[in-house]
Amino acid sequence: NAGVTQTPKFQVLKTGQSMTLQCAQDMNHNSMYWYRQDPGMGLRLIYYSASEGTTDKGEVPNGYNVSRLNKREFSLRLESAAPSQTSVYFCASSEIFLRGIQPQHFGDGTRLSIL
Amino acid sequence: QKEVEQDPGPLSVPEGAIVSLNCTYSNSAFQYFMWYRQYSRKGPELLMYTYSSGNKEDGRFTAQVDKSSKYISLFIRDSQPSDSATYLCAMSRDNYGQNFVFGPGTRLSVLP
Repeated sequence: NAGVTQTPKFQVLKTGQSMTLQCAQDMNHNSMYWYRQDPGMGLRLIYYSASEGTTDKGEVPNGYNVSRLNKREFSLRLESAAPSQTSVYFCASSEIFLRGIQPQHFGDGTRLSIL
Repeated sequence: QKEVEQDPGPLSVPEGAIVSLNCTYSNSAFQYFMWYRQYSRKGPELLMYTYSSGNKEDGRFTAQVDKSSKYISLFIRDSQPSDSATYLCAMSRDNYGQNFVFGPGTRLSVLP
């Protein structure tokens, strides 16, 4: 059972280049998320998709766009990469229920360096 | 002031020790409190969560919440080298993932 799969695992870009980070989950979850993790900052939400067909901004959306391609896949695009976007990017998925916490299942991250 | 504060460590303890990991928070609206474990080069995984003040135990792990002091703790008994990881606290005022706030994590090393 793969869970949440992110590609690529590593990437180096030059300032101004664009790229798309891919994420796919096989747990039939409705909700998907993109986070970035920086030293001393904790995980910060970039964008999320509560269900197929919807996307919303999180805490740090500037410089990013997302696409919820179908229920399984949620991609993150950097249109014009900047050094400040050097980070580790995590995709996560979860179910939403009325009561109780549903755990977010995370992928293993994409390590992105922008020169 | 950050909404969630957590000592980044690193914290090194001998095998078998009791470990105490802590977070403080400023938002009194938080109701859900979670602890995630993150191994090196891996994504976080949920360890435990609590909804109210008090203690919750799961094997060697105990989560404690003190809402009056805005303070949460994770205790690890009989720590093992396999517990070496970064521990992230997270909290939310509801159970919707888009409203979670994560601490920066405490790096723990358990030495054999």
